[in-house]
Amino acid sequence: KAGVTQTPRYLIKTRGQQVTLSCSPISGHRSVSWYQQTPGQGLQFLFEYFSETQRNKGNFPGRFSGRQFSNSRSEMNVSTLELGDSALYLCASSLAGGDNYGYTFGSGTRLTVV
Amino acid sequence: TQLLEQSPQFLSIQEGENLTVYCNSSSVFSSLQWYRQEPGEGPVLLVTVVTGGEVKKLKRLTFQFGDARKDSSLHITAAQPGDTGLYLCAGVRSNDYKLSFGAGTTVTVRA
Repeated sequence: KAGVTQTPRYLIKTRGQQVTLSCSPISGHRSVSWYQQTPGQGLQFLFEYFSETQRNKGNFPGRFSGRQFSNSRSEMNVSTLELGDSALYLCASSLAGGDNYGYTFGSGTRLTVV
Repeated sequence: TQLLEQSPQFLSIQEGENLTVYCNSSSVFSSLQWYRQEPGEGPVLLVTVVTGGEVKKLKRLTFQFGDARKDSSLHITAAQPGDTGLYLCAGVRSNDYKLSFGAGTTVTVRA
């Protein structure tokens, strides 16, 4: 079965711009989570969506937002980009979220803010 | 402060040696998961442990979940260069819908 697909793979943006990242989960998975990974902070949880509803949110400013569509695909948006937003953004899908079957991650979107 | 503390942060060993990575927390988890990540890629699930005291073996890898479900360990026997990577533990707490990750252990196995 197809894995988790994240697009684009790489992105370079200028400070102050906004960006939208996309994630297509594994077919049948209804939970999509987003993570930010940086060398200094490791993997930090952004938010989790299930059936188009945000169920949990990490400690990130309101510039970070997301949504989920009826086909479970998800997008995350970062507005007013800052240099510190440069990171690998990972999306993970699971059957129902918070379950014990493990999460499947995409290859990530490498965002560089200049 | 990380919910899950991993140690050591770095491990460099010779091919054929054994290694153990630890993952500890003061919180109780409904499951603990171990992932391995290659540079520039997403983490790949190795195993999920859900029962306190559970031991799972995957070829040369042995995973343990503590009796109190607050800690876990990953042991690799006779490490090979292909075991090189970033090992991450992650936990799910009851009624929580997110994975909390440890900071990771970078393992380097020298040929």
